[in-house]
Amino acid sequence: EAGVVQSPRYKIIEKKQPVAFWCNPISGHNTLYWYRQNLGQGPELLIRYENEEAVDDSQLPKDRFSAERLKGVDSTLKIQPAELGDSAVYLCASSSRGQTGNTIYFGEGSWLTVV
Amino acid sequence: AQSVTQLDSHVSVSEGTPVLLRCNYSSSYSPSLFWYVQHPNKGLQLLLKYTSAATLVKGINGFEAEFKKSETSFHLTKPSAHMSDAAEYFCVVNTNAGKSTFGDGTTLTVKP
Repeated sequence: EAGVVQSPRYKIIEKKQPVAFWCNPISGHNTLYWYRQNLGQGPELLIRYENEEAVDDSQLPKDRFSAERLKGVDSTLKIQPAELGDSAVYLCASSSRGQTGNTIYFGEGSWLTVV
Repeated sequence: AQSVTQLDSHVSVSEGTPVLLRCNYSSSYSPSLFWYVQHPNKGLQLLLKYTSAATLVKGINGFEAEFKKSETSFHLTKPSAHMSDAAEYFCVVNTNAGKSTFGDGTTLTVKP
């Protein structure tokens, strides 16, 4: 079974430019997460979807970040315009339900460098 | 509210010696607890999880963790470290609202 797939793996952009990351979750997983991981820190949740609905986007900087999950499968995370402080790893993850005991499976991440 | 504290940012052991990575948590609900490992330039891989069954949980690669409610701890152990265990380890607490909180991670170094 394929895991969570993310692309691109690496991206270098100049500040003020836009960037987008794509995620394909594990087949059948209703819940999709986007996390941001800064160097030397643990992942922090940006947004969580249950099917097509964003049920927790309280930590998403909505002035420059947006996300969508059309048809409740793939998802895209966009940053426009990017700032130097956005340099981080963006992790997509999925689980079969947004409940306590269900395991969250992670992709390998999209590494963003803003110069 | 919930939080996770990984008590050591770095742990260094010699190959063949025991590993102890410490994690304390706080949660208003009965939590589920997880340990993930992250090798350089890789995503996070689940090592083990506790979901209110047996308090001693066995995971992959010889790791295990014990849930101690009275101490609000979920420490990760392994009897004998291998070089391949060198990585970043994250303790995670989940609530029944589907919210996950990560610790800041512990870097494990294994010396030959």
